[in-house]
Amino acid sequence: KAGVTQTPRYLIKTRGQQVTLSCSPISGHRSVSWYQQTPGQGLQFLFEYFSETQRNKGNFPGRFSGRQFSNSRSEMNVSTLELGDSALYLCASSPRTGGTGELFFGEGSRLTVL
Amino acid sequence: QKEVEQDPGPLSVPEGAIVSLNCTYSNSAFQYFMWYRQYSRKGPELLMYTYSSGNKEDGRFTAQVDKSSKYISLFIRDSQPSDSATYLCASGFTGGGNKLTFGTGTQLKVEL
Repeated sequence: KAGVTQTPRYLIKTRGQQVTLSCSPISGHRSVSWYQQTPGQGLQFLFEYFSETQRNKGNFPGRFSGRQFSNSRSEMNVSTLELGDSALYLCASSPRTGGTGELFFGEGSRLTVL
Repeated sequence: QKEVEQDPGPLSVPEGAIVSLNCTYSNSAFQYFMWYRQYSRKGPELLMYTYSSGNKEDGRFTAQVDKSSKYISLFIRDSQPSDSATYLCASGFTGGGNKLTFGTGTQLKVEL
């Protein structure tokens, strides 16, 4: 079974630009969550989508948004990029929403903002 | 103060040693607790999951949760160089979906 696939793996943007990251979950998984990982803050929850509906949202500004498509694939968008948005963005899928903590992570998209 | 605190290390041990990794948490609403392992340039992978206070064993790994003191531990017996990774504790609660709160991770190196 193929794992969680994230694209692109690496990207460099400049301040003020926007970026879209993509995630393909494991086949059959309907929940997709996004996390931001930085050396100082660790992994921080961005949002979760289940059956195309946002179920939970973390404490990030409105510049961070996401969506999920009918095939469970998900995208997240960050607008008006700031230097502090440089991070590893991890997508995780799960067959259910909550209760087990069992998330299957992709390898992440590493964003550098200059 | 973070809801889940974890000593970042790095922690270096010789091969075969017993490793103890620890976290504390402050949110009493947390109901289940996990340990994830993250190798360099990879995403985290789930190692252990526990729902209640007590011990849970899986091979060389033992997870321990003490809800009264809000303390989470992971013990690795007979540590191997392949155990060298960053270990992340995480907590969640029923009704929170897949929103997990992670510690910042402890970097472990097991040396030959």
